[in-house]
Amino acid sequence: NSKVIQTPRYLVKGQGQKAKMRCIPEKGHPVVFWYQQNKNNEFKFLINFQNQEVLQQIDMTEKRFSAECPSNSPCSLEIQSSEAGDSALYLCASSGTGGERLFFGHGTKLSVL
Amino acid sequence: QQQVRQSPQSLTVWEGETAILNCSYENSAFDYFPWYQQFPGEGPALLISILSVSDKKEDGRFTIFFNKREKKLSLHIADSQPGDSATYFCAASYSNNRIFFGDGTQLVVKP
Repeated sequence: NSKVIQTPRYLVKGQGQKAKMRCIPEKGHPVVFWYQQNKNNEFKFLINFQNQEVLQQIDMTEKRFSAECPSNSPCSLEIQSSEAGDSALYLCASSGTGGERLFFGHGTKLSVL
Repeated sequence: QQQVRQSPQSLTVWEGETAILNCSYENSAFDYFPWYQQFPGEGPALLISILSVSDKKEDGRFTIFFNKREKKLSLHIADSQPGDSATYFCAASYSNNRIFFGDGTQLVVKP
């Protein structure tokens, strides 16, 4: 059973709407990753954090995507103005400081109509 | 540039057979290679992993064979069961860096 909790499981938005999803990493894991998995099973790394600080992020994330991992609150990923191409499974994962063994949540399936 | 490649894209075997899933990578700096198993509607789950200092790793019915010189590895699933039907992802990373995933092999095990 996944100990990384993602909410909601499903999210339906219209184009241009804001979409926000949350993640509670496994207890004690300081590193959090967000990946986008499209319908072709391709993984796209979006961003990762260590103790609330951004470690790496892709250019796409800097435009319409924003993410944060505040202390004592769930991590979140937000798409400011959803586009049809954003429809995908958004996966949150956490790990120890070695960043090796990732534990994934069930994901949030976003559908942009 | 695709850092991790997998083949075949899909594979069907009969129950009891050995399924062989292949993977290759580009970056010689990769030193950690996990395989993830994903069922529909679920997130990927770590199945087995290997470090580049080893050439073989076994865990029950699952075995990774690793060839550093050729930058190839394979996952062997012995005595395949219908419950093994899932998508399997080969991944790679190095030195505290993010993990790169292949595009997966969809395995179907027929009873």
